[in-house]
Amino acid sequence: GQNIDQPTEMTATEGAIVQINCTYQTSGFNGLFWYQQHAGEAPTFLSYNVLDGLEEKGRFSSFLSRSKGYSYLLLKELQMKDSASYLCAVRPYQAGTALIFGKGTTLSVSS
Amino acid sequence: NAGVTQTPKFRVLKTGQSMTLLCAQDMNHEYMYWYRQDPGMGLRLIHYSVGEGTTAKGEVPDGYNVSRLKKQNFLLGLESAAPSQTSVYFCASSYSSRGAPENTGELFFGEGSRLTVL
Repeated sequence: GQNIDQPTEMTATEGAIVQINCTYQTSGFNGLFWYQQHAGEAPTFLSYNVLDGLEEKGRFSSFLSRSKGYSYLLLKELQMKDSASYLCAVRPYQAGTALIFGKGTTLSVSS
Repeated sequence: NAGVTQTPKFRVLKTGQSMTLLCAQDMNHEYMYWYRQDPGMGLRLIHYSVGEGTTAKGEVPDGYNVSRLKKQNFLLGLESAAPSQTSVYFCASSYSSRGAPENTGELFFGEGSRLTVL
């Protein structure tokens, strides 16, 4: 089976940097995804890592270490609109193309 | 471009009633999925399909059936609804991650269907 862990809640202030960690245990691995989900809305794709290292996309970066089963999402220059849930998901081989999600981290950004 | 469309958006059922959720995508994606999302539980995979005429079980398939008769549609059925099936249901679709490196195979989600079973 799969086990994906991430913190339930985090808080930060506008302009700050926040790092959301995700650890996973899977019997196969074919990529790790981060999604953003605002309350009452659908999840939207943020980033994808399949090889070790850092992927940067504007204010958001995602890091992967396959040997440690570890990823993080880094959000810089936080804005109020970044208040949302951040979902870590893995694509294990046995689920075909499907993603298995963690329970999500709710980030609250205050002024 | 509509993307992934789910109908209905909201539905209230009584225990034992049946219903079908319809998902339609216009992106010519090969793969489609049904997830449910409950507070504190995250998104859980119910069933998925890797092509027309094929379906497979996910993490929580019990009490649900699915069909993929057309490539663009993926139906989720509840034959006898139970209060434990009260949830927000999300449909998603994706293209293959094979081929070009930029093909992540990311999932594109519909807006969700909120189902309440009394």
